[in-house]
Amino acid sequence: GAVVSQHPSWVICKSGTSVKIECRSLDFQATTMFWYRQFPKQSLMLMATSNEGSKATYEQGVEKDKFLINHASLTLSTLTVTSAHPEDSSFYICSALPVGSYEQYFGPGTRLTVT
Amino acid sequence: QQQVKQSPQSLIVQKGGISIINCAYENTAFDYFPWYQQFPGKGPALLIAIRPDVSEKKEGRFTISFNKSAKQFSLHIMDSQPGDSATYFCAVHYGGSQGNLIFGKGTKLSVKP
Repeated sequence: GAVVSQHPSWVICKSGTSVKIECRSLDFQATTMFWYRQFPKQSLMLMATSNEGSKATYEQGVEKDKFLINHASLTLSTLTVTSAHPEDSSFYICSALPVGSYEQYFGPGTRLTVT
Repeated sequence: QQQVKQSPQSLIVQKGGISIINCAYENTAFDYFPWYQQFPGKGPALLIAIRPDVSEKKEGRFTISFNKSAKQFSLHIMDSQPGDSATYFCAVHYGGSQGNLIFGKGTKLSVKP
């Protein structure tokens, strides 16, 4: 149980285009989902907290107009990287929090490469 | 300011040995302390976690030791195996039931056969 999927697992896009990443909790409902970014050989950095039916809360320094987050249902959150640039190339990981739990379950990650 | 300090940055252990990774924190409001295991190109997976009212928790070969007064917690991997070679992250939780995790910088463990 407690499986989280992400799609796509990897994506290459050209500079200036937008990319959407999906995060799904497959066997549980999650009112809260989180989006992280991880650069090579570094730790996970929280980008934003997404609550179903409300606006996402972004961490300091994360551009909310560039990283659009939508949490439209209890099992789906999406991250759209708008006008992507090479410096946005990274490993993006989502996690989902079952209702009433402290345990975040992580997706397998999405490798974004912007050329 | 780094809210959770993890050490060592890398660790090499012989097969069958004990791997020990340490984390220290400052904020006493943290209320849940998980350890995650991450293989290259994969998302982190919860390994084991502890709450501050318990001093030790064991699950199979993995043990968390928690020292509330010292504000430290550690992961012990007994009988380390080559398949345990991965990056390990400690984390601290704050903010209640919808709270967030702050991760340590990670420890790259290599278990030599």
